[in-house]
Amino acid sequence: SAVISQKPSRDICQRGTSLTIQCQVDSQVTMMFWYRQQPGQSLTLIATANQGSEATYESGFVIDKFPISRPNLTFSTLTVSNLSPEDSSIYLCSVEAIYGSPRGVYGYTFGSGTRLTVV
Amino acid sequence: GEDVEQSLFLSVREGDSSVINCTYTDSSSTYLYWYKQEPGAGLQLLTYIFSNMDMKQDQRLTVLLNKKDKHLSLRIADTQTGDSAIYFCAEVRDDKIIFGKGTRLHILP
Repeated sequence: SAVISQKPSRDICQRGTSLTIQCQVDSQVTMMFWYRQQPGQSLTLIATANQGSEATYESGFVIDKFPISRPNLTFSTLTVSNLSPEDSSIYLCSVEAIYGSPRGVYGYTFGSGTRLTVV
Repeated sequence: GEDVEQSLFLSVREGDSSVINCTYTDSSSTYLYWYKQEPGAGLQLLTYIFSNMDMKQDQRLTVLLNKKDKHLSLRIADTQTGDSAIYFCAEVRDDKIIFGKGTRLHILP
């Protein structure tokens, strides 16, 4: 399955600033997904990023707050803008993957996550 | 309900079996997944089961699926300290993967 490099692994940011998170995949993928995992909570899908088109955002998430770039089939960035303490979370990127052989299983691979603390 | 439901905590003695339960919502999911998240790490696909199966065994892991009740369970035999993690049940709904809140497995010495 695909291998994802996500960075930074963690950051502490001041209120009102922005943080850009990068995900690099070792193979070309059509869709990349960005998730937020708030403390003690499940993963919530923020948006789906396709190369060459605008990202599709889930209910409760807007482009002004979470702008996404997808310049090619192996790379994407998520920016969390105008940070507030409520944005303190783990952010993860994910891609679709095929596991196992000879009969592949459709699943998802995740980056190691970015732990954001806003102070 | 609309959520994938899991109990939030489970404590098990080292060497005993752990059973983590999940209730999902979409009976049309082709696959159901268990993901593992160790402290400070991303999510790792632990195992999966096809919706046309009742059980899948993979070394120390056994997955049971009850489609009638939409109930999924993960059994870890001979639980070790390295099994300490958060375990997420997940289904695919409308082409998106939906996760439960995760069960934090704590291993007692």
